[in-house]
Amino acid sequence: AQTVTQSQPEMSVQEAETVTLSCTYDTSESDYYLFWYKQPPSRQMILVIRQEAYKQQNATENRFSVNFQKAAKSFSLKISDSQLGDAAMYFCAYGNPNGGATNKLIFGTGTLLAVQP
Amino acid sequence: DTEVTQTPKHLVMGMTNKKSLKCEQHMGHRAMYWYKQKAKKPPELMFVYSYEKLSINESVPSRFSPECPNSSLLNLHLHALQPEDSALYLCASSQEVKVRNTFGSGTRLTVV
Repeated sequence: AQTVTQSQPEMSVQEAETVTLSCTYDTSESDYYLFWYKQPPSRQMILVIRQEAYKQQNATENRFSVNFQKAAKSFSLKISDSQLGDAAMYFCAYGNPNGGATNKLIFGTGTLLAVQP
Repeated sequence: DTEVTQTPKHLVMGMTNKKSLKCEQHMGHRAMYWYKQKAKKPPELMFVYSYEKLSINESVPSRFSPECPNSSLLNLHLHALQPEDSALYLCASSQEVKVRNTFGSGTRLTVV
């Protein structure tokens, strides 16, 4: 069974600084997707960034980038130039696109990020 | 229109009440999902509909009854709930049964 582990329950960063959130996962599949979702107090889960396992290049979306280490099964999120609006719960998630009952997201336990002005 | 809309945003119900949660999307997504989320916990999958047919039921108690009247709408009918069912209920949709979910902002349910 696939598992996702986020070992940092809470993190804090100063505004304009850089922070890295950790995520590790376990799977025997070779084809899968990894995601970082953000959930602010407004409650909506917002997709931050997505990585396909077959792509070696790390995904980047503006100030957000990932460090994807497939052999180590590690998928960390780097937030550069942190802004007050980045404060939220961040969930790492694993998905397998190969159909059947495995087509569902498996979430980590989340990291609560605080941004200090 | 790239949104998933959930109503109501808040709901308080007694243990003998019957209520329904509604979810709507107009992105042409053919898979729709219900998740339950407790405070400071990750979402837990409850149900998945694919092409308006129930494809996954994660052993959810029968007091929760999903319904997909058409490809844009998803309902969750609630009856005889328990206080421990109080949670945030999130709806999501995706292009077929693939992994990229677009989420609504949820219904905060309190059972008294």
